[in-house]
Amino acid sequence: TQLLEQSPQFLSIQEGENLTVYCNSSSVFSSLQWYRQEPGEGPVLLVTVVTGGEVKKLKRLTFQFGDARKDSSLHITAAQPGDTGLYLCAGPSNDYKLSFGAGTTVTVRA
Amino acid sequence: SQTIHQWPATLVQPVGSPLSLECTVEGTSNPNLYWYRQAAGRGLQLLFYSVGIGQISSEVPQNLSASRPQDRQFILSSKKLLLSDSGFYLCAWTGPNASEQFFGPGTRLTVL
Repeated sequence: TQLLEQSPQFLSIQEGENLTVYCNSSSVFSSLQWYRQEPGEGPVLLVTVVTGGEVKKLKRLTFQFGDARKDSSLHITAAQPGDTGLYLCAGPSNDYKLSFGAGTTVTVRA
Repeated sequence: SQTIHQWPATLVQPVGSPLSLECTVEGTSNPNLYWYRQAAGRGLQLLFYSVGIGQISSEVPQNLSASRPQDRQFILSSKKLLLSDSGFYLCAWTGPNASEQFFGPGTRLTVL
């Protein structure tokens, strides 16, 4: 089983501040995905990173895949209350499955 | 475009009662289908997945079962609910050769 560890578990910041969420593994992944989940809803796919060292930007969100494809980070610039949610990273494991991290709960205070 | 539906949205059931949660996908064929359970504010526990009609893989031995009677229909069942079955149940699908998963809106189950 390929495990993904996310840190920190909780993050509470003021509107306008920056934040970074980390996703780490001892295993190599062919790709990693990031999802955001709002309370009472299903997770929504934000991005997939595929190439080691890849950087993808989605408005104020920047995703990076580690050179060795064992880790990834999500950086949010000038966070807004709408960024509040549970951020999950996931990577393909065997037999059509995804391994999910335990998630980082982000709260952005107005 | 593809859509995924789950119902009911919320459910309150007594201990020992049966359960049936339904998930359907529209706009795609031969999807891989998944059932997850999520504790409050935490990650996802994979319960079952299916790569085709009648094909079910169980990840965690427990009080639940799954069935796939049609290509785009996935059902989660229990004969007798336990208190520990309470949680947020999510259904998801992927294309046959893809890893990105698309989730339904979830069912909040409370067992009393």
